[in-house]
Amino acid sequence: EAAVTQSPRNKVTVTGGNVTLSCRQTNSHNYMYWYRQDTGHGLRLIHYSYGAGNLQIGDVPDGYKATRTTQEDFFLLLELASPSQTSLYFCASSDQQRGQNTLYFGAGTRLSVL
Amino acid sequence: GQQVQQSPASLVLQEGENAELQCNFSSTATRLQWFYQHPGGRLVSLFYNPSGTKHTGRLTSTTVTNERRSSLHISSSQTTDSGTYFCAIASSSFSKLVFGQGTSLSVVP
Repeated sequence: EAAVTQSPRNKVTVTGGNVTLSCRQTNSHNYMYWYRQDTGHGLRLIHYSYGAGNLQIGDVPDGYKATRTTQEDFFLLLELASPSQTSLYFCASSDQQRGQNTLYFGAGTRLSVL
Repeated sequence: GQQVQQSPASLVLQEGENAELQCNFSSTATRLQWFYQHPGGRLVSLFYNPSGTKHTGRLTSTTVTNERRSSLHISSSQTTDSGTYFCAIASSSFSKLVFGQGTSLSVVP
């Protein structure tokens, strides 16, 4: 089973605050993703990347930046956090180059913006 | 874009009953995956099944590609099956997965 580690697991910040969510995968997967999960919306894709230095825009990118610094590390940045960004955030990875398109998720980060 | 509809939205079963969860999608699916979300939030992959039938334990996934539907059958349900089940679809090998809204399953003793 692929290993995807997210940190922190829980985070509380205030409106206008700066937040960085971290994700590391240790299986050399080329694709990494950030999702948010909200009641009534399922999982929605924020940003994704197919390699170090690459960034692709997802379906709900507004208010988020992301950066893929290495094959292993993918960060999600909220530079001016708003209460609407209170959510459960998941990072995931997959290895589509080898045709193994299975998505592996981290444990999630619960973010509250007060 | 791709639309994914799951039904039912929620389901309550007595332990030992079977369940059939449905996933319908709007356009051809090259990739299809079923996930289970634990009540605590952890998401795990159950099946990667863009076509045909796959089994693992008490779970069976059947995808009929040309009818744009997939089902997840849970036999002899247990309380530990409680949680939310998602299907996710992509139209091509390199396009992003689109998730359904999920089916919330509660199995009571």
